[in-house]
Amino acid sequence: AQKITQTQPGMFVQEKEAVTLDCTYDTSDQSYGLFWYKQPSSGEMIFLIYQGSYDEQNATEGRYSLNFQKARKSANLVISASQLGDSAMYFCAMREYLGTYKYIFGTGTRLKVLA
Amino acid sequence: DSGVTQTPKHLITATGQRVTLRCSPRSGDLSVYWYQQSLDQGLQFLIHYYNGEERAKGNILERFSAQQFPDLHSELNLSSLELGDSALYFCASSPTGRAPEAFFGQGTRLTVV
Repeated sequence: AQKITQTQPGMFVQEKEAVTLDCTYDTSDQSYGLFWYKQPSSGEMIFLIYQGSYDEQNATEGRYSLNFQKARKSANLVISASQLGDSAMYFCAMREYLGTYKYIFGTGTRLKVLA
Repeated sequence: DSGVTQTPKHLITATGQRVTLRCSPRSGDLSVYWYQQSLDQGLQFLIHYYNGEERAKGNILERFSAQQFPDLHSELNLSSLELGDSALYFCASSPTGRAPEAFFGQGTRLTVV
């Protein structure tokens, strides 16, 4: 069964420190994509970063990087130099193509950045 | 501002009723996705349309239906509403059916009483 697991319901990090949000996935498909989204308290969903299963290098977008370990089926999000505005809910998601695209989301990790 | 517009922002309705949620994608985006976010089910993918055609179906109930019109806006119709349908409904758009990133609207908060 397709599955995304985020084991950290909540995390704290000091401002300017780096933080890693964990995500593991389960799929039997060879071709898939992994995403991270941010949801601030205002409620909107913001796309952060994408990693394709065939991408050889880890994806990076500014202060966000995705630590992709295919053999371990993990796709952790690393946020460097945390800012107060990074406080939000973070969702890991997977897209598979099984005739049509399917999307599955994890339960999310609530990150709080401390001043 | 993502460029994706959802209306209405809030909706309160009674059980058994029918509602329509509207989504206008970003200019030029051909793909529209619908998601439901509830406290007990988390974020669930409902359905994906690309240029007017259904491309993918997720956990969408038979009481729910969607369509994408020639001008690319989309509507999500929810009928025979139940208390459990109370949730935040997101629409997202992307330029193609394959593009990994999707830009989300602000959501429509539906409350069924």
